[in-house]
Amino acid sequence: GAVVSQHPSRVICKSGTSVKIECRSLDFQATTMFWYRQFPKQSLMLMATSNEGSKATYEQGVEKDKFLINHASLTLSTLTVTSAHPEDSSFYICSAYRALTEAFFGQGTRLTVV
Amino acid sequence: SQELEQSPQSLIVQEGKNLTINCTSSKTLYGLYWYKQKYGEGLIFLMMLQKGGEEKSHEKITAKLDEKKQQSSLHITASQPSHAGIYLCGADPGANNLFFGTGTRLTVIP
Repeated sequence: GAVVSQHPSRVICKSGTSVKIECRSLDFQATTMFWYRQFPKQSLMLMATSNEGSKATYEQGVEKDKFLINHASLTLSTLTVTSAHPEDSSFYICSAYRALTEAFFGQGTRLTVV
Repeated sequence: SQELEQSPQSLIVQEGKNLTINCTSSKTLYGLYWYKQKYGEGLIFLMMLQKGGEEKSHEKITAKLDEKKQQSSLHITASQPSHAGIYLCGADPGANNLFFGTGTRLTVIP
């Protein structure tokens, strides 16, 4: 099956700094990618839909100035957590999805803000 | 936004027992996915259901989608400790995106 590579797998940053997470689809072109956030013992929460060449669509309650998404090519989407704070600490996971086919997930990024 | 309700939220079973997890939507679904996950790790694809009344099986796991395409169940037969984890149903509501249910945490006691 298709492979989605997410990097880094773990990152620790200081409060106030920004962190960029990359999501690459390795063997297919993904016009649409999704970013999810997961808190301990909870399900995945869709944050935003990343569309190649256009602005991301954010779910209600997600700050677009806080979580910057860029989808500059058909194989790369990035999520930048700006001015990170401890409450942004979480598990972030991306997905490449083609309608009514399998969704392929990255391995996730565990972000810890200290 | 699309909402998927999963039940139960948490389940503890003795090894060897059967169990069922349900996923319910108030809207018709155009694709229903089941995944397994351990928190902090990636998702393992289990099955995708698309047609009303469809049923698929893989090893000891069977998933069904009802005729109205609003409810799906995941059934595990003779559970094993390796089945433990978080089970997530995901659905495409027809908008070319994928939302997840609330999740079910399964614990299998040896």
